[in-house]
Amino acid sequence: KAGVTQTPRYLIKTRGQQVTLSCSPISGHRSVSWYQQTPGQGLQFLFEYFSETQRNKGNFPGRFSGRQFSNSRSEMNVSTLELGDSALYLCASSSQGAGNTIYFGEGSWLTVV
Amino acid sequence: AQSVAQPEDQVNVAEGNPLTVKCTYSVSGNPYLFWYVQYPNRGLQFLLKYITGDNLVKGSYGFEAEFNKSQTSFHLKKPSALVSDSALYFCAVRVQNTGTASKLTFGTGTRLQVTL
Repeated sequence: KAGVTQTPRYLIKTRGQQVTLSCSPISGHRSVSWYQQTPGQGLQFLFEYFSETQRNKGNFPGRFSGRQFSNSRSEMNVSTLELGDSALYLCASSSQGAGNTIYFGEGSWLTVV
Repeated sequence: AQSVAQPEDQVNVAEGNPLTVKCTYSVSGNPYLFWYVQYPNRGLQFLLKYITGDNLVKGSYGFEAEFNKSQTSFHLKKPSALVSDSALYFCAVRVQNTGTASKLTFGTGTRLQVTL
């Protein structure tokens, strides 16, 4: 079956703008989480959604937000973009259960200029 | 708080030789441990995981990892490296008592370079 799908793959935004990234999880997966990857900070957890509810949130400012729809698809939004928001944003999905494998998408490369 | 350490930024190995990528962890509670690989400009690919049971787990592409509770380690190994194994490898941990939460804590990554 299809893997985790993220769109867009690449985008360039100007400082101060906002951006919305989209994620379609693996069919049947109800948990979607988001991670930010940068050379300096590595892989950092942003937030997790399950059945349209945010269950867990990382240590990021309020400019970072997300949501999940009834079909488990998820979006994350970053407002008032800063240069430091340039990163690879990874979406991951899993079925319920802490021991279940978390599968990642190919990511969305965001460049803020 | 949970943490993962990958003490080597880079590991160099000749093709055909065995490889080991090291990982140690710190958690309160019993861990679920994962290894992922990342090729350039790609997302993370799942390699293997330890949940419970046999301390030696086998995964994709001939990789295996050994869970050592006393040393809190989960080193990734492969008996014979291939040039195509060259990539960035991440170790990650989740804690068992977090219900269904999916937060992974990652190490800083180890770049594996396999040469002919």
